[in-house]
Amino acid sequence: GENVEQHPSTLSVQEGDSAVIKCTYSDSASNYFPWYKQELGKRPQLIIDIRSNVGEKKDQRIAVTLNKTAKHFSLHITETQPEDSAVYFCAATDSGNTPLVFGKGTRLSVIA
Amino acid sequence: NAGVMQNPRHLVRRRGQEARLRCSPMKGHSHVYWYRQLPEEGLKFMVYLQKENIIDESGMPKERFSAEFPKEGPSILRIQQVVRGDSAAYFCASSRDGRYGYTFGSGTRLTVV
Repeated sequence: GENVEQHPSTLSVQEGDSAVIKCTYSDSASNYFPWYKQELGKRPQLIIDIRSNVGEKKDQRIAVTLNKTAKHFSLHITETQPEDSAVYFCAATDSGNTPLVFGKGTRLSVIA
Repeated sequence: NAGVMQNPRHLVRRRGQEARLRCSPMKGHSHVYWYRQLPEEGLKFMVYLQKENIIDESGMPKERFSAEFPKEGPSILRIQQVVRGDSAAYFCASSRDGRYGYTFGSGTRLTVV
């Protein structure tokens, strides 16, 4: 089955700097890669996703890149703000009857 | 649109009791997924259901855990004879087509004392 590795497990950045979180996956059939943000004590919320027919997707300060050959994808947050502080999870699936498999998460701290 | 509704938000059970967790998917969503989250850990898949069918239960422990999604009413995750190790946050998610865009509920935080 699918296995998703996520790095780093913790990340601290100064406000205004960029943050990058990386994930690798094992199943070459995977074709859908969402990212979720989870604030303390709250539910995971979808912030951006990418499908395998594109290499990059951007939404304001957030972007995701996908390298299918290397089987890795990354989340990029620019101009970080304190409200970006949360745990971020990457996930992957082949979009069939296989449920999303999640990475273990990255705790991002943005220091004002 | 009420989103994915889970109840209760918090549940305390003594060892050996039963825990029942409920999940109502978003309107128009017929695919339901249950995940377990331990403190400082990721989301571990447990079971995937559609109405009246279990599609994938590969993440469910073989004993004491069961799930259903009846024709009418919410999906239920049942844990019998709970033990301390069952303490966790249990999240339900739903999707319209079983492929993209899972929406999560607010979770049920189970504490076994």
